[in-house]
Amino acid sequence: RKEVEQDPGPFNVPEGATVAFNCTYSNSASQSFFWYRQDCRKEPKLLMSVYSSGNEDGRFTAQLNRASQYISLLIRDSKLSDSATYLCVVNGPYGNKLVFGAGTILRVKS
Amino acid sequence: DTAVSQTPKYLVTQMGNDKSIKCEQNLGHDTMYWYKQDSKKFLKIMFSYNNKELIINETVPNRFSPKSPDKAHLNLHINSLELGDSAVYFCASSRPWGEGGGRTDTQYFGPGTRLTVL
Repeated sequence: RKEVEQDPGPFNVPEGATVAFNCTYSNSASQSFFWYRQDCRKEPKLLMSVYSSGNEDGRFTAQLNRASQYISLLIRDSKLSDSATYLCVVNGPYGNKLVFGAGTILRVKS
Repeated sequence: DTAVSQTPKYLVTQMGNDKSIKCEQNLGHDTMYWYKQDSKKFLKIMFSYNNKELIINETVPNRFSPKSPDKAHLNLHINSLELGDSAVYFCASSRPWGEGGGRTDTQYFGPGTRLTVL
């Protein structure tokens, strides 16, 4: 089983749509969870951290379910500029090691 | 005022050559990393240094040797390049683990070095 698993997509959605991505992780000892965004031929950038109580940042909402080892990202009112690959990221068995999922591709079309 | 910078951006070389990629961060971070992103877009950590000391060394061939002259720089030297080394290499930096209250801190990535081995 991969340490972090994501549906690779692509998710093709119209502008204004709501889209949700899911991710599962295998290491029950993980303490830190993130969504990173990577544009084509660019570096990954932090989109948001994911907290146990769930958190929201504008149109983006992240949820964590520790019991099921499951993380989600909800994007409301999709914009063309949201088109990117979304990487689910979990810290590894020790310290600062981050384990990245393979990413979910989102394409928002007008 | 780029936070994490890498040089070169593109590197095309022949099999068997030795090459280096340089990374510098001006964020004042103590911890730096090298990642490899292959053709399938999987991003995997290779090395991590904390204040010039190696703390993570994943299963990477000995041909890859990181060098940290000071905590703002982490260079990657690759000997005897092979076709399979073709990938994008990203440098990143963060505060040390523990400074985030027991949580892993945000990592800031450089723009990447696209290595092509012919």
